[in-house]
Amino acid sequence: DAGVIQSPRHEVTEMGQEVTLRCKPISGHNSLFWYRQTMMRGLELLIYFNNNVPIDDSGMPEDRFSAKMPNASFSTLKIQPSEPRDSAVYFCASSHSNQPQHFGDGTRLSIL
Amino acid sequence: AQKITQTQPGMFVQEKEAVTLDCTYDTSDQSYGLFWYKQPSSGEMIFLIYQGSYDEQNATEGRYSLNFQKARKSANLVISASQLGDSAMYFCAMRESVFSNDYKLSFGAGTTVTVRA
Repeated sequence: DAGVIQSPRHEVTEMGQEVTLRCKPISGHNSLFWYRQTMMRGLELLIYFNNNVPIDDSGMPEDRFSAKMPNASFSTLKIQPSEPRDSAVYFCASSHSNQPQHFGDGTRLSIL
Repeated sequence: AQKITQTQPGMFVQEKEAVTLDCTYDTSDQSYGLFWYKQPSSGEMIFLIYQGSYDEQNATEGRYSLNFQKARKSANLVISASQLGDSAMYFCAMRESVFSNDYKLSFGAGTTVTVRA
């Protein structure tokens, strides 16, 4: 079975540029989660969706961050404009109802 | 307040020995779930084991077992017969209100395990 697929795996861009991270959840999973991992703050939940509907976005750091889930098989996390402090590893995870979350391999984002 | 506390930032263990990773949690819910994930140096997050608060027996999954002490609010992970491939960061996580539609997890800070040959 295909796992959670994230793209790109690595992204290096300059401050001020728009960054779009993509995620394809496991087929049949109805919940999708976006996390950010840094040395300073550990693993933080940014936002999650149930059945394509955003449920909790309280972890989204500021208005520069936005996330969408237009259908059950695709989600994006967008940062516009990006800043150096956004540099982190961003994970997408999916689950079916209350089953364990399965994570993608992450996107390592560097903002110069 | 921290919901998940992992007090051991790093640990060393000899190959073939067992190691226990501590995890304590804070919740007022009666129904909750505890998870352990492994993150090797390659970066991916791998689900290892799950314990529900109402489960009567401690969870086991191969060489992984969970020492669940509800009264102490602890859910320690035990890795038996350590292998070099067990060297990784290990995260404890909790989901509260398991019978609700709120599926988000709270993660601890993690414990780095290094297995020595």
